[in-house]
Amino acid sequence: AQKITQTQPGMFVQEKEAVTLDCTYDTSDQSYGLFWYKQPSSGEMIFLIYQGSYDEQNATEGRYSLNFQKARKSANLVISASQLGDSAMYFCAMREGDWSNFGNEKLTFGTGTRLTIIP
Amino acid sequence: NAGVMQNPRHLVRRRGQEARLRCSPMKGHSHVYWYRQLPEEGLKFMVYLQKENIIDESGMPKERFSAEFPKEGPSILRIQQVVRGDSAAYFCASSLSGSWNEKLFFGSGTQLSVL
Repeated sequence: AQKITQTQPGMFVQEKEAVTLDCTYDTSDQSYGLFWYKQPSSGEMIFLIYQGSYDEQNATEGRYSLNFQKARKSANLVISASQLGDSAMYFCAMREGDWSNFGNEKLTFGTGTRLTIIP
Repeated sequence: NAGVMQNPRHLVRRRGQEARLRCSPMKGHSHVYWYRQLPEEGLKFMVYLQKENIIDESGMPKERFSAEFPKEGPSILRIQQVVRGDSAAYFCASSLSGSWNEKLFFGSGTQLSVL
């Protein structure tokens, strides 16, 4: 089974609108972290936001917020007031905390969503 | 405070040659991860190293690929006898610890092109 699933290969959004990028995850661990990264056309990986499995509040970082629904195992990224510079690939990723299973420390990525902001 | 440094940024090799990719983690970070990204795909885990030790190489092809992270110096990903299918972007990331609640910092990647 896929650990991270991003079901939207591509999205087109009008500038200044809000956008939600979907991410569901699969883990049996109690401790895990969920991360979103942005990859613009220049190629670098830019960290956006983090949500821990024990965090009761949804994470927020400026225009980015994470809609964390633990029971549904979803961690959707919400970008408010989208800008042209938000056009990029967006990756959801997870690190798991089961220390008895070596290798869970690695970050596992979804396949990404290509977001295009339309002026 | 320099971030994760990868070099070269672009590397061109002919089939059969060797490719050596270097990664200097952030200062104080002893955990290094290598990922490969094919065009229009996500990042695939290759190998996880701590100083002088390979912790997890489950994503590494069994042949031609090797990685090291010596006590002194950068981490090296080596690809011997490269083939066209090795053409990809290779990213290195580092973290302070292997904890699940810690983010990974990524380098800018090395774009390997095999002619």
